[in-house]
Amino acid sequence: DIQMTQSPSAMSASIGDRVTITCRASQGISNYLAWFQHKPGKVPKSLIFASSSLQSGVPSRFSGSGSGTEFTLTINSLQAEDFATYYCLQHKSFPRTFGQGTKLEIK
Amino acid sequence: EVQLVESGGGLVQPGGSLRLSCAASGFIFSNYDMTWVRQAPGKGLEWVSTISGSDTRTFYVDSVKGRFTISRDNSKNTLYLQMNSLRAEDTAVYYCSKDTSYSDTSGYYYVPSDHWGLGTLVTVSS
Repeated sequence: DIQMTQSPSAMSASIGDRVTITCRASQGISNYLAWFQHKPGKVPKSLIFASSSLQSGVPSRFSGSGSGTEFTLTINSLQAEDFATYYCLQHKSFPRTFGQGTKLEIK
Repeated sequence: EVQLVESGGGLVQPGGSLRLSCAASGFIFSNYDMTWVRQAPGKGLEWVSTISGSDTRTFYVDSVKGRFTISRDNSKNTLYLQMNSLRAEDTAVYYCSKDTSYSDTSGYYYVPSDHWGLGTLVTVSS
């Protein structure tokens, strides 16, 4: 099975900051990597697919990059509504695996 | 508009069974792979199972193999998850989600879980 190691597990940042979250795959997954945002009591939201393609309606301050085993989610100019938990997901092979999540909190 | 509505969750004793349903609308159900994802209390998201749209191939996380069965009724636009031999560690909110694939001039894209239902809570406890 492919393991996804996400870091950091938690972080705090201020409005307007730029933050980067990393996911590392235990083996190459090409660009079969998606990112999700999850707020407490809400439904998870698809942000990015194919490592770097932005879902329709997602603000352009979100971006993704990477291929193979190293991937990053970057949020430029953090807004209040961005404080949430973020997950990566590999779907190169079954079983699909999520990263452990990164809880982004307001500093 | 894509809508996914889960039902069937509840309180069940260890060793018991439940069947979750997910009613889909707003898209041609039979054309899309469907996925169950769960979140245990205080834990992260966990992929549980996926079923393909057309040939109904099925895939499971190891922890539920032999206990859970994913299925679909394309005539009723409904996805199911039959859960048997339930354990305390199966306690979670279970989400139904739709996968998407498409092609454009740039290539072929697969988008896992691009739409989600609100989830249904399963509690396994005596």
